[in-house]
Amino acid sequence: AQTVTQSQPEMSVQEAETVTLSCTYDTSESDYYLFWYKQPPSRQMILVIRQEAYKQQNATENRFSVNFQKAAKSFSLKISDSQLGDAAMYFCAYRSPNSGNTPLVFGKGTRLSVIA
Amino acid sequence: GAGVSQSPRYKVAKRGQDVALRCDPISGHVSLFWYQQALGQGPEFLTYFQNEAQLDKSGLPSDRFFAERPEGSVSTLKIQRTQQEDSAVYLCASSLRESYNEQFFGPGTRLTVL
Repeated sequence: AQTVTQSQPEMSVQEAETVTLSCTYDTSESDYYLFWYKQPPSRQMILVIRQEAYKQQNATENRFSVNFQKAAKSFSLKISDSQLGDAAMYFCAYRSPNSGNTPLVFGKGTRLSVIA
Repeated sequence: GAGVSQSPRYKVAKRGQDVALRCDPISGHVSLFWYQQALGQGPEFLTYFQNEAQLDKSGLPSDRFFAERPEGSVSTLKIQRTQQEDSAVYLCASSLRESYNEQFFGPGTRLTVL
């Protein structure tokens, strides 16, 4: 079974600064999908960024980018120019590429605080 | 376009009561997932539907948990004889058919069992 580990329960960052959230995972599959989800206090989970394992290029979405190291099974999220609205729980998630559809396997999350 | 909706948003039950939690997925989304999120934890998979077929229920913690999606749209998660350990947020997510498609989450139902 796949597992996802987020070793940082809490992180904080000054507004406008950069922060990196860590994620490692364990799998025997060669192809898969990785995600970062944001969960604000209102609870609705929102997709931040997605990475396909077969793609070597790191995904980027505006101020959010990932550092995907397939051999090390590492998938960190970098948030640049942090904003107050970035404060939330961030979850790293793994998904198998089986035909049809598969559930997400989540880490325990990292709570990010943004200091004005 | 409406997103995924869930009702009720909050539910308080006495131990031993039965509860029913509803999920309305995005129109046209054939895949529907239920997750359980305990306090301070990440969501954990409960069960998965493709249209009306329940293809995976391996995450259901006990036979007190039952889910259905009879017409391939709205889904209901039922918990019988609730226990305190059932207290959690129950999240519903829907997506298009294939694994590479984004799962869209609802706001969740917070269940508190007294």
